[in-house]
Amino acid sequence: GAVVSQHPSRVICKSGTSVKIECRSLDFQATTMFWYRQFPKKSLMLMATSNEGSKATYEQGVEKDKFLINHASLTLSTLTVTSAHPEDSSFYICSARGTDTEAFFGQGTRLTVV
Amino acid sequence: GQNIDQPTEMTATEGAIVQINCTYQTSGFNGLFWYQQHAGEAPTFLSYNVLDGLEEKGRFSSFLSRSKGYSYLLLKELQMKDSASYLCAVMDSNYQLIWGAGTKLIIKP
Repeated sequence: GAVVSQHPSRVICKSGTSVKIECRSLDFQATTMFWYRQFPKKSLMLMATSNEGSKATYEQGVEKDKFLINHASLTLSTLTVTSAHPEDSSFYICSARGTDTEAFFGQGTRLTVV
Repeated sequence: GQNIDQPTEMTATEGAIVQINCTYQTSGFNGLFWYQQHAGEAPTFLSYNVLDGLEEKGRFSSFLSRSKGYSYLLLKELQMKDSASYLCAVMDSNYQLIWGAGTKLIIKP
C-alpha cells in the first residue's frame, strides 16, 4: 500500500517553544491531508484538513494560531505546535489521501512538553 | 448529528472467532473503514467497504449493510498479537472520516 512518513516519531520540548511535525506521502500525491490528535484512551480527534495550496480548515475548538498547518506541496504537510504547553502533550497523527478515497496514516508523533 | 457506535471492549480466546459490530448514522456515505491500533502506535488500515456484502482478507473479514447502517469486522483463528483496539470509521458526503471510539479486544490464552 501507499506509504506516509511522519517525522519525528517522538519529541520532547520545553514549555514555550515550538515544534514542527512533518508528514510526507512517499509514493503518491496527497491532495488532502488530515491532522489528528489522540487523547489517552480516546479515539482520534480530527484537528484540521488541508488541501494542497490552500489554507487548512480547522475543526471547531482547534486554535489555528496555535496549531499552524502548511500544505506546501502534494507530498508534504507540516503541523507546527507554537508556544507549546504541557497540555499539548499528546499523540499527533497525519493521514494523506490522493485521488482514491482511502486514507493512509503516518506513524504518529508522540509530543511531550515539559 | 453524526454517530458511530461500537462496543467499548470485548474479550475472546486464542484460536477462536470474534465479531466486532459497528453501527453508524452519518450525513452521506462514501465508505466504511476498519483500522487496527496497538497501544502507543498509529492506526493501521485493515479494510474498506463501500458496497454491501462481505470482503475477506485472510483471517480478517469485513461486512457492510448500507440500508441498515451496519458493519462488522470478523477475526478468525485469533492470535495473541490481535489484542488491540479496532476502530470503525465512516467517510461522509464531504469525504471526512467520522470515527468510532474504538473497541478494545483482549485475547486470552
